[in-house]
Amino acid sequence: GENVEQHPSTLSVQEGDSAVIKCTYSDSASNYFPWYKQELGKGPQLIIDIRSNVGEKKDQRIAVTLNKTAKHFSLHITETQPEDSAVYFCAASRPWGSNSGYALNFGKGTSLLVTP
Amino acid sequence: EAGVTQFPSHSVIEKGQTVTLRCDPISGHDNLYWYRRVMGKEIKFLLHFVKESKQDESGMPNNRFLAERTGGTYSTLKVQPAELEDSGVYFCASSQRSDGYTGELFFGEGSRLTVL
Repeated sequence: GENVEQHPSTLSVQEGDSAVIKCTYSDSASNYFPWYKQELGKGPQLIIDIRSNVGEKKDQRIAVTLNKTAKHFSLHITETQPEDSAVYFCAASRPWGSNSGYALNFGKGTSLLVTP
Repeated sequence: EAGVTQFPSHSVIEKGQTVTLRCDPISGHDNLYWYRRVMGKEIKFLLHFVKESKQDESGMPNNRFLAERTGGTYSTLKVQPAELEDSGVYFCASSQRSDGYTGELFFGEGSRLTVL
């Protein structure tokens, strides 16, 4: 099955700096790569996603890049703010209709701390 | 519109006892997923319902776990008998069918299970 590796497990940055979280996946059939943010006491929430036919996507201060050949994708947060502090999860899934399920497979998470 | 709700938020039971977790998805969402996160590890897929049918239950650990979704609305996940390693946070998520992609999952706040 799909194996998603995520690094680093913890990341501490100063407010205003950039943060980068990297993930690799094993299943070349995966075509959807979302990023979720989990704040304390809440469930994960989608912040950005990218499909395999796109190499980069940006939404204000966050961006995601995808390298299908190398099977890795990254989350970039610029101008970090204290409210960005949370656990971030990357995930990957196969296309709908695949023979073997298409549930999201998550990485282990990155705990991001943004200090003022 | 109400989000995904889960009950109970926290359950503490002894090894060998039974616990039933409940999830109410967003109204109209045909897809319902159960996930589990053990401290410091990935959010691990358990199973996926499409309406009342089990689409994929490949992530269910063993036959001590039983999930149901009668009528295609709310779902229950029963653990019987519970073991120490079953401790963790159980997340439920729901989604609408997407155009060939898994699409956005809406997560509940999770049910924390502690088995003593």
